[in-house]
Amino acid sequence: QKEVEQDPGPLSVPEGAIVSLNCTYSNSAFQYFMWYRQYSRKGPELLMYTYSSGNKEDGRFTAQVDKSSKYISLFIRDSQPSDSATYLCAMSKFPPWGAQKLVFGQGTRLTINP
Amino acid sequence: ETGVTQSPTHLIKTRGQQVTLRCSSQSGHNTVSWYQQALGQGPQFIFQYYREEENGRGNFPPRFSGLQFPNYSSELNVNALELDDSALYLCASSLYGVEVETQYFGPGTRLLVL
Repeated sequence: QKEVEQDPGPLSVPEGAIVSLNCTYSNSAFQYFMWYRQYSRKGPELLMYTYSSGNKEDGRFTAQVDKSSKYISLFIRDSQPSDSATYLCAMSKFPPWGAQKLVFGQGTRLTINP
Repeated sequence: ETGVTQSPTHLIKTRGQQVTLRCSSQSGHNTVSWYQQALGQGPQFIFQYYREEENGRGNFPPRFSGLQFPNYSSELNVNALELDDSALYLCASSLYGVEVETQYFGPGTRLLVL
């Protein structure tokens, strides 16, 4: 069993739709949770970073962490064609300013259709 | 752009050969991590370097080795290349001991082993 499971999709939705992306994990030692966006032929870029359980909002993006269920989600409101990319969840035991080893999900390929 | 640069951008090698990939970290960052991303998969942690010493390693064989230089740039060396080594190799830099949200990823080097 992989430490982090993510539905690879692909996921295709119309512009303006609400998108829900999810990951589950098995290692309760994970304390730091991140969502990255990766455009084709580019490196991952950080979208959202959370440390504790609960919700965190940033513009059209909301990250949700439920440590008791070992489940994290990313919601995208009012989706735009420019949101079309691969979305990667990632988590770690240690912070980015420490000996952080990120464990990634498989990535979900998202397409927003105009 | 993150300020992390990698070279070369693309590389083609044959099985059994050796390859060296290079990474320049973001200005001021003292830690470099390397990840391997196979096609359609999330990145997998190879190892991390801090102050020119290996500071953690993932589940990769010894033929994957690295170096970090006094200016914090880094090299990833892979000996005896195998077909499965074909992947995007990402480096990420961070600042050990200073609270930041994430490691910053470069654009990657795409390696094809024939």
